[in-house]
Amino acid sequence: GNSVTQMEGPVTLSEEAFLTINCTYTATGYPSLFWYVQYPGEGLQLLLKATKADDKGSNKGFEATYRKETTSFHLEKGSVQVSDSAVYFCALREGGTSYGKLTFGQGTILTVHP
Amino acid sequence: KAGVTQTPRYLIKTRGQQVTLSCSPISGHRSVSWYQQTPGQGLQFLFEYFSETQRNKGNFPGRFSGRQFSNSRSEMNVSTLELGDSALYLCASSLEGNTDTQYFGPGTRLTVL
Repeated sequence: GNSVTQMEGPVTLSEEAFLTINCTYTATGYPSLFWYVQYPGEGLQLLLKATKADDKGSNKGFEATYRKETTSFHLEKGSVQVSDSAVYFCALREGGTSYGKLTFGQGTILTVHP
Repeated sequence: KAGVTQTPRYLIKTRGQQVTLSCSPISGHRSVSWYQQTPGQGLQFLFEYFSETQRNKGNFPGRFSGRQFSNSRSEMNVSTLELGDSALYLCASSLEGNTDTQYFGPGTRLTVL
């Protein structure tokens, strides 16, 4: 079946540091890939997405590139802020008869200190 | 446009009881999915509804059920609650034909004592 593996957290950074959160996936088809963010006490927000190989998703300074050859979708940001502190989830949607079903990684807690 | 709303936000029940959670999707969205979030298992897909029909289901026991109404609002029901059902239950809605963009509600925090 499909699966998503994220780097273990928590990740603790100082403000303006570079962020990378690794994500690899296993899927039988050609899934769409996503990064979601969850702030304390809230639901999930879509951060960015990529729907085919070599696509780059970007939003709010975050970027991730769909790498089919390495089955990866690593999240990066050049300079993090305290407000980026949250839990980040990598996810895939296989589509087809799976319709909207999302398969999530286990989440990575990011804490950014001033 | 209002976002996805879920009611109630918090719920405390005891073992053996049943519970019904409600989700109102964004206006115009006809697809609603439900997820269970726990510290141990993470985010797990429960089921998805479209046009009042369940079109996908995750690996949960039959105690977990759901339905969707003609106005696209959805409910999920858990019968004979167990301690392990304590979780944050999230619903997400999307436009048909654009299930790559799903909008999540704030969730219902269920505590089973």
